[in-house]
Amino acid sequence: DGGITQSPKYLFRKEGQNVTLSCEQNLNHDAMYWYRQDPGQGLRLIYYSQIVNDFQKGDIAEGYSVSREKKESFPLTVTSAQKNPTAFYLCASSESGRAGYGELFFGEGSRLTVL
Amino acid sequence: AQSVTQLDSHVSVSEGTPVLLRCNYSSSYSPSLFWYVQHPNKGLQLLLKYTSAATLVKGINGFEAEFKKSETSFHLTKPSAHMSDAAEYFCVVSDHGSSNTGKLIFGQGTTLQVKP
Repeated sequence: DGGITQSPKYLFRKEGQNVTLSCEQNLNHDAMYWYRQDPGQGLRLIYYSQIVNDFQKGDIAEGYSVSREKKESFPLTVTSAQKNPTAFYLCASSESGRAGYGELFFGEGSRLTVL
Repeated sequence: AQSVTQLDSHVSVSEGTPVLLRCNYSSSYSPSLFWYVQHPNKGLQLLLKYTSAATLVKGINGFEAEFKKSETSFHLTKPSAHMSDAAEYFCVVSDHGSSNTGKLIFGQGTTLQVKP
């Protein structure tokens, strides 16, 4: 089955630690995205990548970093510089970089809790 | 500038009764509009989308939405609620604008509760 796999599903981190969230897709999509979801809020875009070896900052990129070395993989690192990292993180992909024209496919999310 | 407002943070209906989830948008250009559904601790799934074709859009699981430009609305409806419809629903707008990047703006979500 084609889809997006995020891991881990749950993650606990101590303050001051960096953590990396994995996102893998086998849909052969060009574009991939990371969103952050907080209770009672919509999704906010952290980073997106329209093509391999290229990515752009979204609305809330501070304290996060990404890489796109392979088409199918788009890992997100939550650094110690992120002041409030506890949240639900969603990875998504779309067939083209123009997300507004097509459907976003989402993974099942990773819930990060900072202790 | 584009924006989207979901008018109700929480809607409660009885099983078998109609569902109405309200969404208003603001867009400087011709928008694309979407409804996504999210079940607890899951990712989002596309219910339906409007991209300047027919104004009445039919989606999965019996949902539909009507694009009303004069009212800048894109309300989601379903004639008869099922227990499995209980979830959070997001209205999303994409303003293609001059840059044509299709940036998505998500509403804050509406939680639908379905009572037996």
